[in-house]
Amino acid sequence: GAGVSQTPSNKVTEKGKYVELRCDPISGHTALYWYRQSLGQGPEFLIYFQGTGAADDSGLPNDRFFAVRPEGSVSTLKIQRTERGDSAVYLCASSLFGGPHEQYFGPGTRLTVT
Amino acid sequence: ELKVEQNPLFLSMQEGKNYTIYCNYSTTSDRLYWYRQDPGKSLESLFVLLSNGAVKQEGRLMASLDTKARLSTLHITAAVHDLSATYFCAVDNAWGGGADGLTFGKGTHLIIQP
Repeated sequence: GAGVSQTPSNKVTEKGKYVELRCDPISGHTALYWYRQSLGQGPEFLIYFQGTGAADDSGLPNDRFFAVRPEGSVSTLKIQRTERGDSAVYLCASSLFGGPHEQYFGPGTRLTVT
Repeated sequence: ELKVEQNPLFLSMQEGKNYTIYCNYSTTSDRLYWYRQDPGKSLESLFVLLSNGAVKQEGRLMASLDTKARLSTLHITAAVHDLSATYFCAVDNAWGGGADGLTFGKGTHLIIQP
């Protein structure tokens, strides 16, 4: 079956620009997560959705970052006024429910801010 | 704040040898996950450990969880080159006071040489 998909796979943008990153979770998965992975590091939690609502956004680094999941399926991570420090791979994961269930990761979007 | 520490961070070993990767975490939890990441790829779930004393095995890999010691191990038996990758352990944030995102260790970069 189809796994988690993310688009675009690569995004290069100039400092100060706005970007949107998209995640399509596995069909039927109610929980969706965004992580950010810098080079040589483990993924860092950003935000968790249960259905349409953000159950925990404590990992978002500042108010330039925002994410939505309006219909409880596809999610978009939005970054305003991008900075060079935002360069990383942004990973999306989904699981059937929240809690102690396996999270399935997408291929990621590599964001480069020049 | 939940902290997850892995060691070693880098391991070079020969085919046929055995070795263990250690994962310590800072809060009471009985939800621990192991992932594998190949260069330029996303994360592949290896094991989900959900109780004290849990042991799971898949091929040459075996993972265990000791919640009292706050320690999980990933043991590699008779290593083969195909196991070369970066291995991450992750703990559920819910036990650190957060929601269901994961806190990852920095990863163990494993190279297996013929």
